[in-house]
Amino acid sequence: DQQVKQNSPSLSVQEGRISILNCDYTNSMFDYFLWYKKYPAEGPTFLISISSIKDKNEDGRFTVFLNKSAKHLSLHIVPSQPGDSAVYFCAASTGSNYQLIWGAGTKLIIKP
Amino acid sequence: KAGVTQTPRYLIKTRGQQVTLSCSPISGHRSVSWYQQTPGQGLQFLFEYFSETQRNKGNFPGRFSGRQFSNSRSEMNVSTLELGDSALYLCASSLAILEGTQYFGPGTRLTVL
Repeated sequence: DQQVKQNSPSLSVQEGRISILNCDYTNSMFDYFLWYKKYPAEGPTFLISISSIKDKNEDGRFTVFLNKSAKHLSLHIVPSQPGDSAVYFCAASTGSNYQLIWGAGTKLIIKP
Repeated sequence: KAGVTQTPRYLIKTRGQQVTLSCSPISGHRSVSWYQQTPGQGLQFLFEYFSETQRNKGNFPGRFSGRQFSNSRSEMNVSTLELGDSALYLCASSLAILEGTQYFGPGTRLTVL
């Protein structure tokens, strides 16, 4: 039972354009969501997070949107840069249980 | 401040053997979590330790075990290795159990032949 789903295994975007990565969840108890980026041969690194009391959080070129009614979150990267090519994981947790539940990841490829 | 370190980085074992992986968290971090990453499966949570106590456990068989020492360093042990245990094993540390942001090590790539 995958509680966090990233339905696109890969995404290819032109440099300079917007990259939109999507994540769906099934557990309505999730109240904290995170995005991590992972380069080959490295561990994931934290990118941006959002709590369920918000519907948007911005950090530079990265913006995460949360739609609680649809149980959907998305990560927008504008403008996309070659260094953004990586695997992106979304993860979720509840306030009562610290354990992070992870999606399978989306490989983002930025084309020059 | 040094990041999370994991040793060894690469390991090759044969079926039936056992293996111990080590993780040193960021200084001051007391929570250590372990994950298994296989292609297409994302990160599967193994267990989490806080102050030498296992606080959360994922859905893995008993062949997978771990411990945490008083200096917060953690070890993970897998006994009676199976081919399906071949994966990247990641360790992550955070300040406290309720801290949502985790900092990952580079992982240990385990290959079981």
